[in-house]
Amino acid sequence: NAGVTQTPKFQVLKTGQSMTLQCAQDMNHNSMYWYRQDPGMGLRLIYYSASEGTTDKGEVPNGYNVSRLNKREFSLRLESAAPSQTSVYFCASSEPRYEQYFGPGTRLTVT
Amino acid sequence: GENVEQHPSTLSVQEGDSAVIKCTYSDSASNYFPWYKQELGKRPQLIIDIRSNVGEKKDQRIAVTLNKTAKHFSLHITETQPEDSAVYFCAASIFSGGYNKLIFGAGTRLAVHP
Repeated sequence: NAGVTQTPKFQVLKTGQSMTLQCAQDMNHNSMYWYRQDPGMGLRLIYYSASEGTTDKGEVPNGYNVSRLNKREFSLRLESAAPSQTSVYFCASSEPRYEQYFGPGTRLTVT
Repeated sequence: GENVEQHPSTLSVQEGDSAVIKCTYSDSASNYFPWYKQELGKRPQLIIDIRSNVGEKKDQRIAVTLNKTAKHFSLHITETQPEDSAVYFCAASIFSGGYNKLIFGAGTRLAVHP
């Protein structure tokens, strides 16, 4: 039982490049989430998916898109990366009314 | 929208002392308040949570208290140990429509000195 997994672990992009961060969970959770973590700012919700087939914006959605591919997988796409998107990205999953389980994170640097 | 403020941003204690971290939230409809611990380079992990129908919850050396009237909640760690050193985050959310949209505080870096 791997829990929540994320790929890649590290990534360096140039400004304007695109990439997709992958997230998968094997806990049969309905809800999945993408956060970014910046120094001194805690975790901020980018997008979430309450269930398969639905997605919604969180606090900081600009510059990102998401896809809930199936119940297990929830991807985050940066279409045109900017230095302001340098951050650590965490994916999480949960059942309604229960704790969120986080993945190991992806450290992204945009130069 | 919901806003969560967390204090202090850093906390230094001697091993064996108690540590208290406080959070306030803005949305009176919030009904779920978890606390996460994050060690350096690791993922956040839940250490304790409380729902709005409960005023206090304990788990060994960790306790959380909630004051709904004042809209604040606190984490209490007793008999601190060096392995308690980490960043602690509070969060608040409203269970709604089958999902749980957490709003996090900025974090408290706790250092426990032997």
